[in-house]
Amino acid sequence: DGGITQSPKYLFRKEGQNVTLSCEQNLNHDAMYWYRQDPGQGLRLIYYSQIVNDFQKGDIAEGYSVSREKKESFPLTVTSAQKNPTAFYLCASTGGYFIGYTFGSGTRLTVV
Amino acid sequence: DQQVKQNSPSLSVQEGRISILNCDYTNSMFDYFLWYKKYPAEGPTFLISISSIKDKNEDGRFTVFLNKSAKHLSLHIVPSQPGDSAVYFCAASAGGNTGNQFYFGTGTSLTVIP
Repeated sequence: DGGITQSPKYLFRKEGQNVTLSCEQNLNHDAMYWYRQDPGQGLRLIYYSQIVNDFQKGDIAEGYSVSREKKESFPLTVTSAQKNPTAFYLCASTGGYFIGYTFGSGTRLTVV
Repeated sequence: DQQVKQNSPSLSVQEGRISILNCDYTNSMFDYFLWYKKYPAEGPTFLISISSIKDKNEDGRFTVFLNKSAKHLSLHIVPSQPGDSAVYFCAASAGGNTGNQFYFGTGTSLTVIP
């Protein structure tokens, strides 16, 4: 069954630590995206990648890093430079403009 | 700056009645629009789309209307069912110039009362 898998579902981070959120898709999609959702706000784009070994910053990239070494994988690292990392993180992919996004089930990150 | 706005954070409707969710956008380059439905602690799921060459698209109980001159779209759900209770996001894109990125509204939480 094709889809996007995000792991873990819940993640706790101590202040000053880097953490990596996993996103894997078996849809053969070229483009992948990371969004962040905060209460009362829409989904805000962190990073996106349209092809392997290439990625672009979104609207709120500061404090985050990504890599795209394989088509199937687009991990997101939340670094200690991210001042307010507690949020719900969503990974998405698309096989084409008129297909829209397929989303993963999300990772809730909490700083403790 | 929010390019896609959903000004109603919540909406309550009786079962069987019509639900109307509204969305406004500011970027005249947007030419493709989507509606997503989201349950708590889950990823959004695609509901319905509309291209700027159309002003209406219908799929079962769901109809999306687009008014380009007003930069406004709406989602109609008829009849509303309790299982429709969720957060609904509208999203818009200007296509390849922005990496096929979709801009999302803040969401409207729909509650359908049995």
